[in-house]
Amino acid sequence: NAGVTQTPKFQVLKTGQSMTLQCAQDMNHEYMSWYRQDPGMGLRLIHYSVGAGITDQGEVPNGYNVSRSTTEDFPLRLLSAAPSQTSVYFCASSYDPLRNTEAFFGQGTRLTVV
Amino acid sequence: KQEVTQIPAALSVPEGENLVLNCSFTDSAIYNLQWFRQDPGKGLTSLLLIQSSQREQTSGRLNASLDKSSGRSTLYIAASQPGDSATYLCAAPGGRLTGYQKVTFGTGTKLQVIP
Repeated sequence: NAGVTQTPKFQVLKTGQSMTLQCAQDMNHEYMSWYRQDPGMGLRLIHYSVGAGITDQGEVPNGYNVSRSTTEDFPLRLLSAAPSQTSVYFCASSYDPLRNTEAFFGQGTRLTVV
Repeated sequence: KQEVTQIPAALSVPEGENLVLNCSFTDSAIYNLQWFRQDPGKGLTSLLLIQSSQREQTSGRLNASLDKSSGRSTLYIAASQPGDSATYLCAAPGGRLTGYQKVTFGTGTKLQVIP
């Protein structure tokens, strides 16, 4: 099983460029989420989705857009990259956090904005 | 807003020692709490998921406890080994006030086990 797959693993962007971080899971999980991890800040929730067509904001949503057209995919879009978005991004999925099922994480995307 | 705190931030112990990592959370109306391990430059690996109806969950040398009334969870590692060196994170979903779907992570405890 592939689990949660994130692409790319590394990316360097110039300020103002746009890009999409891809996340796909093959476990038929309803719940998917995006986090960013910064030194000393821990993981912070950016956006999450409880199913296809349903998304909501997390703790730090500004500068990021998401959509969920299928159960499998949950891309994260940066419309105009800023140096403050330099971080490691993780995608996670679970069947349903309310049903006491564990979360699975991708290996992360290390993004540098110069 | 759910807030999750982990103490200590870093811990260095000799091989073979038993140790306890602490996690506290502010919104105690949670359904579950999960402990993860993160190796440098890697993603998160789930270690234990403890449900709100449980007081303990065990996997091998790991034991997690949950006390909702005091807003605390502990991860006990028995007979530590150098391979246990990693950062350990706890994560709690929000409760009724925060929102159940929003999961909050602690900042982690960086563990070093010295051979």
